[in-house]
Amino acid sequence: AQSVTQPDIHITVSEGASLELRCNYSYGATPYLFWYVQSPGQGLQLLLKYFSGDTLVQGIKGFEAEFKRSQSSFNLRKPSVHWSDAAEYFCAVGAPGSGNTGKLIFGQGTTLQVKP
Amino acid sequence: DVKVTQSSRYLVKRTGEKVFLECVQDMDHENMFWYRQDPGLGLRLIYFSYDVKMKEKGDIPEGYSVSREKKERFSLILESASTNQTSMYLCASHGAVPPYEQYFGPGTRLTVT
Repeated sequence: AQSVTQPDIHITVSEGASLELRCNYSYGATPYLFWYVQSPGQGLQLLLKYFSGDTLVQGIKGFEAEFKRSQSSFNLRKPSVHWSDAAEYFCAVGAPGSGNTGKLIFGQGTTLQVKP
Repeated sequence: DVKVTQSSRYLVKRTGEKVFLECVQDMDHENMFWYRQDPGLGLRLIYFSYDVKMKEKGDIPEGYSVSREKKERFSLILESASTNQTSMYLCASHGAVPPYEQYFGPGTRLTVT
C-alpha cells in the first residue's frame, strides 16, 4: 500500500537560513509527487509537483524539490527562509494508473516556525 | 484563476443535528473530494466523486454521506453530528489531465457541542 512519511513534525529555522523538509514515500513505481502549504486557518496551496522529466522541480515562493528514486524521497528546499514561510507543509503522493480519480495520500505534515 | 469555495468558514452545531457542508468549484472538474484534517493525522479522505451522481468511499466514510447532483457542487452530510466529528473539513477538486493536482477550498472549521 502507498504511504507517505514526513519524519519531522516540527521544524524551527531562523529567518534567512536555508530549509529542507523531508518526505519519503512507499510505492512500487514512480508516483506523482506534490508539496502543499497551509497557512493558519486556510486551505492547502500547491507549491510544486513532479510526475516526469527533470527530477529537480521549481515551485512558487522560491521553493524547489528533488525527486530521488533510489531513496524514495521528495525533499522540499528553500535557500533563504522568510518569516511569511511559517506554515504547515504537506507532502502528497498520487498513483499513476489509478485512472483519473487522482486520489492522493498525504503525509502528516511538518509545521515550520521561523525565528526573527 | 482556479476557485474552490466552501459554504462556511466556521460552523457550530449541536450533537444530533444534521449538518450540510457545501463545496463549489468553477473549473469544470470531474473529480471532487472531501477530507477531514486533525492535528497529527494529516488529511484523511472521507468521500470522493468522479462524476455527477457518482461517489466512492474514502478511508473514513463512517458517519458521513455525500451528494453530487451537479458537476460543480459536492456536499458533505453529517446525518447526526457527534462530538468526534469536530474537525477541519477541506474540499478539493481536480481535472482530467495528469498529474491531477488537487485544488483546495479554504476549509470549514466545524465544532459539534
